[in-house]
Amino acid sequence: DTAVSQTPKYLVTQMGNDKSIKCEQNLGHDTMYWYKQDSKKFLKIMFSYNNKELIINETVPNRFSPKSPDKAHLNLHINSLELGDSAVYFCASSQAQNSPLHFGNGTRLTVT
Amino acid sequence: GENVEQHPSTLSVQEGDSAVIKCTYSDSASNYFPWYKQELGKGPQLIIDIRSNVGEKKDQRIAVTLNKTAKHFSLHITETQPEDSAVYFCAASINTDKLIFGTGTRLQVFP
Repeated sequence: DTAVSQTPKYLVTQMGNDKSIKCEQNLGHDTMYWYKQDSKKFLKIMFSYNNKELIINETVPNRFSPKSPDKAHLNLHINSLELGDSAVYFCASSQAQNSPLHFGNGTRLTVT
Repeated sequence: GENVEQHPSTLSVQEGDSAVIKCTYSDSASNYFPWYKQELGKGPQLIIDIRSNVGEKKDQRIAVTLNKTAKHFSLHITETQPEDSAVYFCAASINTDKLIFGTGTRLQVFP
């Protein structure tokens, strides 16, 4: 009964492909996020959704498109994958603003 | 925008010793300061947080201090144990959903 679960855990793909990462939370939280962690462990926010509405979009290329079908799910679709997209992508959720974030265990994306 | 600096990047201590990790932030409007612990292959987990109306908070072996004037906050771990070994992140936010993370500190506790 993982609180924030994301799939897949590992994703290896070639440049130019399109891929999706799925995230689900069973905490009843209103806000969900996508963070990117690069090879130096630096964590940076990409998107934030509150009740299915986009509230933060941090200068992420248009190739990245988040979709929230309901407030318990936030998926990330990436088009035309590039080598620089290789990273660990973390989904997270929180009850409200300034509330603790609960992270999933990440999806390690490797683009070859 | 907000910028968070974290030091040191690596920290090695003997079991039983204390460990201190320091962070500074740039935006005086920041009012929420959490600390996260990330173990290998897992997502960051909140270990303690502090809000700007409090100067210090303690939870068993972990404490956080906040100096709003100097715009810095610190994590203190006492009586360290090998299972404390992980990467620790500080973060700051300005009453929004947008947490800005520090660059992380890899803590190693040697038995």
